[in-house]
Amino acid sequence: DAGVIQSPRHEVTEMGQEVTLRCKPISGHDYLFWYRQTMMRGLELLIYFNNNVPIDDSGMPEDRFSAKMPNASFSTLKIQPSEPRDSAVYFCASKPGRGGSYQPQHFGDGTRLSIL
Amino acid sequence: GQQLNQSPQSMFIQEGEDVSMNCTSSSIFNTWLWYKQEPGEGPVLLIALYKAGELTSNGRLTAQFGITRKDSFLNISASIPSDVGIYFCAGRQGGSEKLVFGKGTKLTVNP
Repeated sequence: DAGVIQSPRHEVTEMGQEVTLRCKPISGHDYLFWYRQTMMRGLELLIYFNNNVPIDDSGMPEDRFSAKMPNASFSTLKIQPSEPRDSAVYFCASKPGRGGSYQPQHFGDGTRLSIL
Repeated sequence: GQQLNQSPQSMFIQEGEDVSMNCTSSSIFNTWLWYKQEPGEGPVLLIALYKAGELTSNGRLTAQFGITRKDSFLNISASIPSDVGIYFCAGRQGGSEKLVFGKGTKLTVNP
């Protein structure tokens, strides 16, 4: 079975440019999560969706960050304009919906973003 | 916000040794998860714990959900070189879908 698929795997761009990260969740999973990982702060939840609807975006650092989920098989995380401090590894994760006991999240392999 | 204190931060061991790491919090969690992350990859779920006192094994890995619901530990027996990676604990509170992650334990195994 295909896991969570993220693209690109690596992105290097100049400060001020728009960056778009993409995620395809596991088919049939109702929840999708975006995380940021840095050495200093570890894994931080940015936003999560349930059935394509944003549920909690309290972790989004500022208005430069936005996320969308236009359908059940695709989500984007956009940074505009990008800044050097946005450099990090961004992970997408998905999980099945409720139906008994808690079902854990499954992670993609991440996008390593470098803003110069 | 909630924090998970994971220790140790790093471990350097010889192949064949047993490993123990733990996660503690001042808050109660009702689900504990242990993930492993290898370089260039995302975290992979190792063990999930759902009840206080629960002890669960996955091969050479054993994890326990503390009876106070504020801690969990992970043991790896007879370590091998492929155990190298960063191990993360994660906790879930109430009915939330949000996970709180520890900062990780970086494991190095010398052959």
